[in-house]
Amino acid sequence: EVQLLESGGALVQPGGSLRLSCAASGFPFSAYAMNWVRQAPGKGLEWVSSIRNDGGRTSYADALKGQFTISRDNSNNTLYLQMNSLRAEDTAVYYCAKERSRGTMADNFDSWGQGALVTVSS
Amino acid sequence: DIQMTQSPSTLSASVGDRVTITCRASQSIGVWLAWYQQKPGKAPNFLIYRASTLESGVPSRFSGSGSGTEFTLTISGLQPDDSAIYYCQHYFGDSATFGQGTRVEIK
Repeated sequence: EVQLLESGGALVQPGGSLRLSCAASGFPFSAYAMNWVRQAPGKGLEWVSSIRNDGGRTSYADALKGQFTISRDNSNNTLYLQMNSLRAEDTAVYYCAKERSRGTMADNFDSWGQGALVTVSS
Repeated sequence: DIQMTQSPSTLSASVGDRVTITCRASQSIGVWLAWYQQKPGKAPNFLIYRASTLESGVPSRFSGSGSGTEFTLTISGLQPDDSAIYYCQHYFGDSATFGQGTRVEIK
C-alpha cells in the first residue's frame, strides 16, 4: 500500500523559511516522479512543483519560481520542499502526491499524503 | 497560460440522479485532462485520466468525456458518498493546472 506522510508544517513569520518533508513507502520511490500541491484555506487545489524520479529535472508554478525548491533523497525515500521568503498567501495545506505512471512528471497524481499545514503569520 | 473553468460552482441533486460537471479550457488541450474528488478534510482522490479513462477501483458510475476545450464528468446514479468537491486538472509539459472546483451536494 502506498503511504505518503508529510511533516514539517508550522506557523512561520512572514519572510521566514520552512522545509517540508514527505516520507514515502509501499512503492519503488526512485521509479516515480513526485509532486507538491497546495490548498489555501477554503480554496481550490494549486499545483506547486514536480521532480523527476532521478531528481534530474524539476518544474514549478510560475508564481513560485525562485521562492520554492523541490528535491528528493531516493536513498531515504523522502521528498522535500524548501520554502523561502514566505508570505501570508503561502498559507495552505501542502500535499505531496505520487505520479501515476513511471516516466511522466506533473501528469496524474494517484496517491496523496494527508497534508501539512503551513501558516504564515506574525 | 491555459485557464481551466468549471461549471457550475455548486450543484444540488438527489440520490439516483445523473449529474454532469463541465470543465472548459481556455485553449485546446487535446485529452490531457484528469478529474479528482475531494471530501471535506481529506486529500483528493484520483478518478479519471486522459479525459475518459477510469482509474482502477473507481466506481463505474463515474465517467468522463470530451476533448479540445470542453470536458464533462458524469456521475450516473448519484450516491450519498459522492458528496464532495470535484476538480478537473490539465496536465502537459511538466506542469499542471486545476479548475476551481465544483461542489456536489445531496438534496
